[in-house]
Amino acid sequence: AQSVTQLDSQVPVFEEAPVELRCNYSSSVSVYLFWYVQYPNQGLQLLLKYLSGSTLVKGINGFEAEFNKSQTSFHLRKPSVHISDTAEYFCASNFGNEKLTFGTGTRLTIIP
Amino acid sequence: EAGVAQSPRYKIIEKRQSVAFWCNPISGHATLYWYQQILGQGPKLLIQFQNNGVVDDSQLPKDRFSAERLKGVDSTLKIQPAKLEDSAVYLCASSLKAGRGETQYFGPGTRLLVL
Repeated sequence: AQSVTQLDSQVPVFEEAPVELRCNYSSSVSVYLFWYVQYPNQGLQLLLKYLSGSTLVKGINGFEAEFNKSQTSFHLRKPSVHISDTAEYFCASNFGNEKLTFGTGTRLTIIP
Repeated sequence: EAGVAQSPRYKIIEKRQSVAFWCNPISGHATLYWYQQILGQGPKLLIQFQNNGVVDDSQLPKDRFSAERLKGVDSTLKIQPAKLEDSAVYLCASSLKAGRGETQYFGPGTRLLVL
């Protein structure tokens, strides 16, 4: 079955420290991959997406992600986090069609 | 550019009552999506419209949920009758056109609590 897995439900990180949020997918077809961020009481906002080409994708707010086909992963990274990065982060994919399948989300908490 | 608008933002009802949510997508966006986001889970697609036609409603519980996009612009999602397990955030999203790589833009959602 095609799925998106976010292994960490919560990640606490000190301010100005680096962070990596993990995402793995399971699919027998080609995938497009997305990371969305959801701030409290707001809708989802696209951070970045991988469609094809370079496996390192840069997004907004200093985030980047690397597509690794052999590891079936699309981990999100930021070298130095800020208080304003506190939010829930969702990895998503469409598996051969237009429908987005989301992971269960990772809540990023920044510790001052 | 105005974003996706949704109303109401919050709704509390008792089980077996009916409720309706409204969504106005970004101007010019042909594709509209309704998602259900249960606490602790990622959003799950309920229905996708292309203009005023339904593209995918395979995960819409059709015995109680209905949705329409009559003029190909704004949309309404209805639940009748509501069950306790319908408590969730209902997100509307739109994209310029259909397609796997298209960015979906989300509204702020309607938080529904069924008592």
